[in-house]
Amino acid sequence: GDSVTQMEGPVTLSEEAFLTINCTYTATGYPSLFWYVQYPGEGLQLLLKATKADDKGSNKGFEATYRKETTSFHLEKGSVQVSDSAVYFCALRGPSGGGADGLTFGKGTHLIIQP
Amino acid sequence: GAGVSQSPSNKVTEKGKDVELRCDPISGHTALYWYRQSLGQGLEFLIYFQGNSAPDKSGLPSDRFSAERTGGSVSTLTIQRTQQEDSAVYLCASSLRLAGRGETQYFGPGTRLLVL
Repeated sequence: GDSVTQMEGPVTLSEEAFLTINCTYTATGYPSLFWYVQYPGEGLQLLLKATKADDKGSNKGFEATYRKETTSFHLEKGSVQVSDSAVYFCALRGPSGGGADGLTFGKGTHLIIQP
Repeated sequence: GAGVSQSPSNKVTEKGKDVELRCDPISGHTALYWYRQSLGQGLEFLIYFQGNSAPDKSGLPSDRFSAERTGGSVSTLTIQRTQQEDSAVYLCASSLRLAGRGETQYFGPGTRLLVL
């Protein structure tokens, strides 16, 4: 079945550092890929998404590129802030049909940004 | 507009009791999803509804779990004879429609269930 693998952390960085959170996936067909973020005490929010190969999703300074050849969707940000401290989830959604309409999530990466 | 809401926000129950969790999706959203977030398993997809219909119940962990949706709106997830391993955060999400692989799912704040 479909699966998503991401580093679990915690990942601790200093403010203004460069961030990469790796995400790789296994899926049949051509999934859509997502990054969700969960800030402390809040619910899951969509951060960005990409629906086909070579698409780049971006939001709030974060970017991720759908790489079919490496089955990856790594999350990057050039300069992190303390307010970026959260848990980040990589997820995929397979082609419509049957039980594939739910999202398959990675385990989540806990990011801690120190001032 | 209002987002996805869930109630209760926290529920503590005794092993063997039944619990009902409620989800109010965003108005006009036809698709609704239930997930479970636990320390051991991460985020697991449980079931989805298109309108009032749930075509595939295979994601539910056991036959003690059931879900229904009425009027194409509110959904309830019922857990009968709760067990300690049912302790988790139960998340509900909705999307405007089911079709379309890139459709965004909007999540509620979750119900934190603790079975003693």
